[in-house]
Amino acid sequence: DTGVSQNPRHKITKRGQNVTFRCDPISEHNRLYWYRQTLGQGPEFLTYFQNEAQLEKSRLLSDRFSAERPKGSFSTLEIQRTEQGDSAMYLCASSPWTSGSGGNYNEQFFGPGTRLTVL
Amino acid sequence: GQQVMQIPQYQHVQEGEDFTTYCNSSTTLSNIQWYKQRPGGHPVFLIQLVKSGEVKKQKRLTFQFGEAKKNSSLHITATQTTDVGTYFCVNDYKLSFGAGTTVTVRA
Repeated sequence: DTGVSQNPRHKITKRGQNVTFRCDPISEHNRLYWYRQTLGQGPEFLTYFQNEAQLEKSRLLSDRFSAERPKGSFSTLEIQRTEQGDSAMYLCASSPWTSGSGGNYNEQFFGPGTRLTVL
Repeated sequence: GQQVMQIPQYQHVQEGEDFTTYCNSSTTLSNIQWYKQRPGGHPVFLIQLVKSGEVKKQKRLTFQFGEAKKNSSLHITATQTTDVGTYFCVNDYKLSFGAGTTVTVRA
């Protein structure tokens, strides 16, 4: 399977614990996005990378959240001191992008997500 | 950028009927993308519209971009149960996807 993969698919944790999720994008895609989605809502932007550089973070992203993409390939999203309000589906997506695209966003390919439940 | 507004939020359709969902913006959009998310699934890219007045078709789905590039629509003909899901229009990912239009089909 050459699509976007995410691990784990499900995570149950107790409030106050730290969790880390991994996303492996499509290999030739240089842009990687993280989203959070709760029931009945669309994906909410968290952050995105171009190669290894984190270019933007949502203002909604608290300092308990951190993301990395150290080698410009896979990415990790860590949530420290989890709260019950962090319970959601965390989606990763990747897309190709070149400077010739004129700044237009290219289609994103989403992974299956990691469902986090904080007890 | 400004998040586009999508209406209706819910659409209940009799199988075989047509329906349309609309996206509206107060500002000119550089492009618009449409995604579909099936229940329990993840968003899947459907199409991107870039040109003023552009119309694209995918089988029973017809996508339009307004002449002023401030609105877009998705029209589905002869709705089938496979059309169930939530349809999102997106311009700027940093503004997130919005609630979309959730479609249910009565057999």
